[in-house]
Amino acid sequence: EVQLVESGGGLVQPGRSLRLSCTASGFTFGDYAMNWFRQAPGKGLEWVGLIRSKAYGGTTEYAASVKGRFTISRDDSKSIAYLQMNSLKTEDTAVYFCTREEVRLGELSSDYWGQGTLVTVSS
Amino acid sequence: DIQMTQSPSSLSASVGDRVTITCRASQYISNYLNWYQQKPGKAPKLLIYAASSLQSGVPSRFSGSGSGTDFTLSISSLQPDDFATYYCQQSYSTLRTFGGGTKVEIK
Repeated sequence: EVQLVESGGGLVQPGRSLRLSCTASGFTFGDYAMNWFRQAPGKGLEWVGLIRSKAYGGTTEYAASVKGRFTISRDDSKSIAYLQMNSLKTEDTAVYFCTREEVRLGELSSDYWGQGTLVTVSS
Repeated sequence: DIQMTQSPSSLSASVGDRVTITCRASQYISNYLNWYQQKPGKAPKLLIYAASSLQSGVPSRFSGSGSGTDFTLSISSLQPDDFATYYCQQSYSTLRTFGGGTKVEIK
């Protein structure tokens, strides 16, 4: 059974850092790109960024709103994806989800999601 | 960025009704379009990928159509478990974007 479990969320002051983890099981983690999404309280879904599999260079992409502040990495030996968040702002307050990205018919979709972890940025 | 516009933003319907939600992309996205269902306090769930392909385990009353810029999610006969918020998402661009969501409520 595919499972994704996020951890590391919590309350943090503006300007500080936090690292989220996404621990995967039930599939060959290294074969898949992983995405991070977020959802501010009462708002819609927002893509944060992704990391491709090593087969595709392990490269990363980010939304403009987090580029330069957030970094996604992966440890395939541990089946964990990370989201390092620096210089946090109050507007980063959200539930953060990690997802597995599947490729079918040449199209990309997030077929499995974690339960989410809440990050609250407040003084 | 590719903008995704969903309509309506909310609707009220009864059990057994046919429901249709539309999603329009600001530019051509071929069939690179997914639909997700989200219930309060839960993670989104993939319903439809590649515009019209049903995700494994999703009931056949859900269907998707469209290509290019205009897409539709249909629920043929609304069930109590279907009251939720639905989002479209494009994967044509690396910068994935979502529609604003459609909340389906009980009439």
